[in-house]
Amino acid sequence: KQEVTQIPAALSVPEGENLVLNCSFTDSAIYNLQWFRQDPGKGLTSLLLIQSSQREQTSGRLNASLDKSSGRSTLYIAASQPGDSATYLCAVTSYNQGGKLIFGQGTELSVKP
Amino acid sequence: DGGITQSPKYLFRKEGQNVTLSCEQNLNHDAMYWYRQDPGQGLRLIYYSQIVNDFQKGDIAEGYSVSREKKESFPLTVTSAQKNPTAFYLCASRRGGGANTEAFFGQGTRLTVV
Repeated sequence: KQEVTQIPAALSVPEGENLVLNCSFTDSAIYNLQWFRQDPGKGLTSLLLIQSSQREQTSGRLNASLDKSSGRSTLYIAASQPGDSATYLCAVTSYNQGGKLIFGQGTELSVKP
Repeated sequence: DGGITQSPKYLFRKEGQNVTLSCEQNLNHDAMYWYRQDPGQGLRLIYYSQIVNDFQKGDIAEGYSVSREKKESFPLTVTSAQKNPTAFYLCASRRGGGANTEAFFGQGTRLTVV
């Protein structure tokens, strides 16, 4: 059974710092991994999708990497801003699972001015 | 604008009452999903549908029912059999069969039992 873990559960950094969020999964037989952002009381916003054949994806100040063999992904945020404060979730889609996403518990990020 | 619309944003249910949460998408996506989010427990899958007129139970389907009569609509009914329905409910969709494409989410419905 696929399990997804995100560490740390919460992170507080000063504005301008570069930071890394971690995501690990137990079964490497995945189609893809997706990173989301969730603001309090809101839905999920897709940030990056990495297919299993890819090593990384970039969007603006965000860079996500995938090491399928070791079951790890990282989300790198450069030059963090207070507006980056949110909960970040990763989710994987495994083979033979009907396309359902398996989520980690999320990392709550706070960027202090 | 293309996207997923969930309504209502807030919903209050009395004990023993059934309520229906709406999810509509105009993305022409085949696959649609319902998730439940509770504090400290992440997102858990309730039901999903990969094609019209077909759907499957997720990990926590007891006390819930769905229908998929139209491609763009996937309503979720929370029945009186669901003993702890207070939660944040999220609907999602994906293009095609849904396995290797990007998932998009609605803004959620917060259900509270009163």
